[in-house]
Amino acid sequence: SQQGEEDPQALSIQEGENATMNCSYKTSINNLQWYRQNSGRGLVHLILIRSNEREKHSGRLRVTLDTSKKSSSLLITASRAADTASYFCATHSLIQGAQKLVFGQGTRLTINP
Amino acid sequence: IAGITQAPTSQILAAGRRMTLRCTQDMRHNAMYWYRQDLGLGLRLIHYSNTAGTTGKGEVPDGYSVSRANTDDFPLTLASAVPSQTSVYFCASSERGGSPLHFGNGTRLTVT
Repeated sequence: SQQGEEDPQALSIQEGENATMNCSYKTSINNLQWYRQNSGRGLVHLILIRSNEREKHSGRLRVTLDTSKKSSSLLITASRAADTASYFCATHSLIQGAQKLVFGQGTRLTINP
Repeated sequence: IAGITQAPTSQILAAGRRMTLRCTQDMRHNAMYWYRQDLGLGLRLIHYSNTAGTTGKGEVPDGYSVSRANTDDFPLTLASAVPSQTSVYFCASSERGGSPLHFGNGTRLTVT
């Protein structure tokens, strides 16, 4: 079963607006990672937030983590057409002694020029 | 350019045939992974290797096998392909478990 569940499944906004994507998960985590995937390509790592961190920034990206609610959000500010892609959260956990990184199903983001 | 190379980029395969998907990394990462990506199901882990000489089963290992004879290579073999194995396969690597993953550009496999 999927650990991370993204919301919404699809998001379409105008260029310049902010885009917010959410991720919920079920079990305890060591860290949560966000990835981006352009059509026909592999995933690219964007940002990692550890379980003891609440917020992290990287350029126009802002990630928050609320471990009490088991949720994270990815905010892209001042969106650009080039931000059009699918975005995935992935949770890293220790399950039965094994390290697991489990991906959600992703949010498909479309930025309209 | 450092990274992960997957081959072939795409393949059409008759059911029952054997197929090996190749994956090579030049970053000297310890851990390597194979995922399959299917519409509506996201990425699912098939097999992984935390270090050369060791492998482990992921979420959907049945029908697949892997080997990790050295640090750089992590081939995925389908012993007898079935149509349900039609998917896009991604190889990835990381410095260690829990570190960010670096992905290849995938192999699109169609089993007829």
